[in-house]
Amino acid sequence: AQSVTQLDSQVPVFEEAPVELRCNYSSSVSVYLFWYVQYPNQGLQLLLKYLSGSTLVKGINGFEAEFNKSQTSFHLRKPSVHISDTAEYFCAVGGTYKYIFGTGTRLKVLA
Amino acid sequence: SAVISQKPSRDICQRGTSLTIQCQVDSQVTMMFWYRQQPGQSLTLIATANQGSEATYESGFVIDKFPISRPNLTFSTLTVSNMSPEDSSIYLCSVLFRANTEAFFGQGTRLTVV
Repeated sequence: AQSVTQLDSQVPVFEEAPVELRCNYSSSVSVYLFWYVQYPNQGLQLLLKYLSGSTLVKGINGFEAEFNKSQTSFHLRKPSVHISDTAEYFCAVGGTYKYIFGTGTRLKVLA
Repeated sequence: SAVISQKPSRDICQRGTSLTIQCQVDSQVTMMFWYRQQPGQSLTLIATANQGSEATYESGFVIDKFPISRPNLTFSTLTVSNMSPEDSSIYLCSVLFRANTEAFFGQGTRLTVV
């Protein structure tokens, strides 16, 4: 069975500061990992994905994530956040066709 | 990528009535899914919409409550039947072009049942 744990429900951070949103997963099969962002009143948009290859994955809007198999983690990072990054972020694990989503982390960027 | 159009974007419905949500994709896709996102919560998979056959429902969801159609490779509908306030949620259509890749999402339908 697969599962995803997002350890922080809310993360406040000041503008231009770095941020890390944590995600841990469990899976008994090959792992495909994703981060999605949801802006208010919108659907989900893919930020980045890990399917195979390099464990450091770069995505849109300056975000990156590192796949760590030994720690079963896929934390999302950005070196300097902007007000416009305020949104809900979801980590997801996929296997073949089904996707399991974490409970989400609300990132609030403060001026 | 895909352009996914969901209609309606929002609705306010009376309890006991039904609402049908449409999902139209601009290209043929392998898989289509319906998710529910309750206020302040994550996404829960309702069912996989299968072309030309009955949908595959997840535990806790049944066809009588959430009938789904998928007549072709680009279109699906989800009906929320005999609605109650507990059905107030965002309903999201999602598609996959092929296995083991990223899912794409529609903008969602925000449903309020009064």
